[in-house]
Amino acid sequence: DTAVSQTPKYLVTQMGNDKSIKCEQNLGHDTMYWYKQDSKKFLKIMFSYNNKELIINETVPNRFSPKSPDKAHLNLHINSLELGDSAVYFCASSRGGGASSYNEQFFGPGTRLTVL
Amino acid sequence: KQEVTQIPAALSVPEGENLVLNCSFTDSAIYNLQWFRQDPGKGLTSLLLIQSSQREQTSGRLNASLDKSSGRSTLYIAASQPGDSATYLCASAGNMLTFGGGTRLMVKP
Repeated sequence: DTAVSQTPKYLVTQMGNDKSIKCEQNLGHDTMYWYKQDSKKFLKIMFSYNNKELIINETVPNRFSPKSPDKAHLNLHINSLELGDSAVYFCASSRGGGASSYNEQFFGPGTRLTVL
Repeated sequence: KQEVTQIPAALSVPEGENLVLNCSFTDSAIYNLQWFRQDPGKGLTSLLLIQSSQREQTSGRLNASLDKSSGRSTLYIAASQPGDSATYLCASAGNMLTFGGGTRLMVKP
């Protein structure tokens, strides 16, 4: 059984479009994350949600909006896509967590976004 | 702000060699340090997690050490195999994970 899953695996779209990436975890974790891995392979945190509440929001354009309908899901919606948004986006989850503690994170397989 | 650096950026060794991957971080106020493996086009697989109170962790042929005072961690791989070829990432955990740039390892048969 897949612990952290993402859809789609690949996403190719035109500049200016709006797109969403979905993430689901079946581990019963309370905290979910979105990371961006750029072309140089650097991984950086974008958002962190604990029990459906935003707890970390790094410097990310407000075109990116995470949405957590429940504890098991954290979707990433991106408006007005730009060329620089092309990257691999990873979802992750952990037990507990929050801004003042850390627990082991489990990552999804990634979504490769290409903006043309 | 935490910065994590990994050296070397790339490493190529013949099968059977023992090797060491290095990770350094600037802020020693971390909860723990985690080592990951990433295969091309795939997600991250957690290899070892060292709590801030621990000095090392071992799993099979892998041994990771942590020296908070010097801001360093090493990942030791014994008797390397071609299947070990991947990118290895270290990440320090404060209130969030901060990743290094990774070491691309190639083990040649």
